[in-house]
Amino acid sequence: DTGVSQNPRHKITKRGQNVTFRCDPISEHNRLYWYRQTLGQGPEFLTYFQNEAQLEKSRLLSDRFSAERPKGSFSTLEIQRTEQGDSAMYLCASSLELAGDVTGELFFGEGSRLTVL
Amino acid sequence: GQSLEQPSEVTAVEGAIVQINCTYQTSGFYGLSWYQQHDGGAPTFLSYNALDGLEETGRFSSFLSRSDSYGYLLLQELQMKDSASYFCAVRDRPGGYQKVTFGIGTKLQVIP
Repeated sequence: DTGVSQNPRHKITKRGQNVTFRCDPISEHNRLYWYRQTLGQGPEFLTYFQNEAQLEKSRLLSDRFSAERPKGSFSTLEIQRTEQGDSAMYLCASSLELAGDVTGELFFGEGSRLTVL
Repeated sequence: GQSLEQPSEVTAVEGAIVQINCTYQTSGFYGLSWYQQHDGGAPTFLSYNALDGLEETGRFSSFLSRSDSYGYLLLQELQMKDSASYFCAVRDRPGGYQKVTFGIGTKLQVIP
């Protein structure tokens, strides 16, 4: 396993189109996070999963955004009716978190850069 | 809600020592992490403090004071390759489940 994999790496789309990003976490990791990052800012939390359960969604995540993690493996993040403000790097991270053994380390993918024209 | 504050930019000389501070306000604090991100790259984990005190990993050390809601990252013997953005991140549990919230990052420029 070479780490967290995200695709596509780059996506250019026109306003109003739908886009979907995929994240393949490190195989034994039970937790998966989605973050959004714009230039000069830190990663901004969007949502995360414990296995297949989506535990929390940021209030920043409008109803145009949906994320899934079927069977607790890979995850997809879909953005419907994209807007220019959605242009950002979408980062996926995974971690192995066991009760009483939290080291805090998130393993990030290289990200999917979205440009909405 | 959660908020983290860190300086936006720091410049230091190659071979020197630099300290990047982070203060936070969160609910249900569990620990403070530091991540490094080079331009165009993914954030990579540097350290994690759950308890008060200093954690050392090679040239990097991280400190936490839970009572002061404060931590710092110390980089020693700076190298040009240390030029990057550094993020503090808090693990907290505002809604019953732990999550990780990042600061805006400190851009470190190492100069010869």
